[in-house]
Amino acid sequence: GAVVSQHPSRVICKSGTSVKIECRSLDFQATTMFWYRQFPKKSLMLMATSNEGSKATYEQGVEKDKFLINHASLTLSTLTVTSAHPEDSSFYICSATRTDRDNQPQHFGDGTRLSIL
Amino acid sequence: AQSVTQLDSQVPVFEEAPVELRCNYSSSVSVYLFWYVQYPNQGLQLLLKYLSGSTLVKGINGFEAEFNKSQTSFHLRKPSVHISDTAEYFCAVVQGGSEKLVFGKGTKLTVNP
Repeated sequence: GAVVSQHPSRVICKSGTSVKIECRSLDFQATTMFWYRQFPKKSLMLMATSNEGSKATYEQGVEKDKFLINHASLTLSTLTVTSAHPEDSSFYICSATRTDRDNQPQHFGDGTRLSIL
Repeated sequence: AQSVTQLDSQVPVFEEAPVELRCNYSSSVSVYLFWYVQYPNQGLQLLLKYLSGSTLVKGINGFEAEFNKSQTSFHLRKPSVHISDTAEYFCAVVQGGSEKLVFGKGTKLTVNP
């Protein structure tokens, strides 16, 4: 149990395009979802925390207007990279916390590789 | 603020050799500790966790870790590694009452034949 699905797994698009990434908890309800960015050979950098029905909380240095997060239901959160540029190319990973608070703080998706040409 | 230090960015070992990946954390208050593994182009998979109780915790794939409060360490060990253990390993900490994971910078384990 506790499967988190991310879609798409890989996306390549032109500079200036907006890209939406979905994060779904398939078999549980998620209290909170997290969005991370991972640069090559680097650790995960938390971008924002989102709770269903409320505005996301962004970490310092993360542009809210650039990375739009919507958490419309207990099983779905989306990250939209607006007007993407090559410097936005990265590996984006989401995670989710169960409402029943199992012993894992977060369950991770398989990530989305975003490449902006 | 909490921090997690993984002293070794890369650890090359030969197949069937033992390995230890080091992790130290900064917080002195109650913490929960985790080790995750990441295979190329994939998300993170939980290897093991320490929440309370026995300081020696066993995880999947034959890994284990020992929580040492006095040394604020949580080193990961495996007595005999396989080629398939080649991956990036992340140590992470959650402070009691928080949901946020703080990650170390990761250790790239490469198992050579």
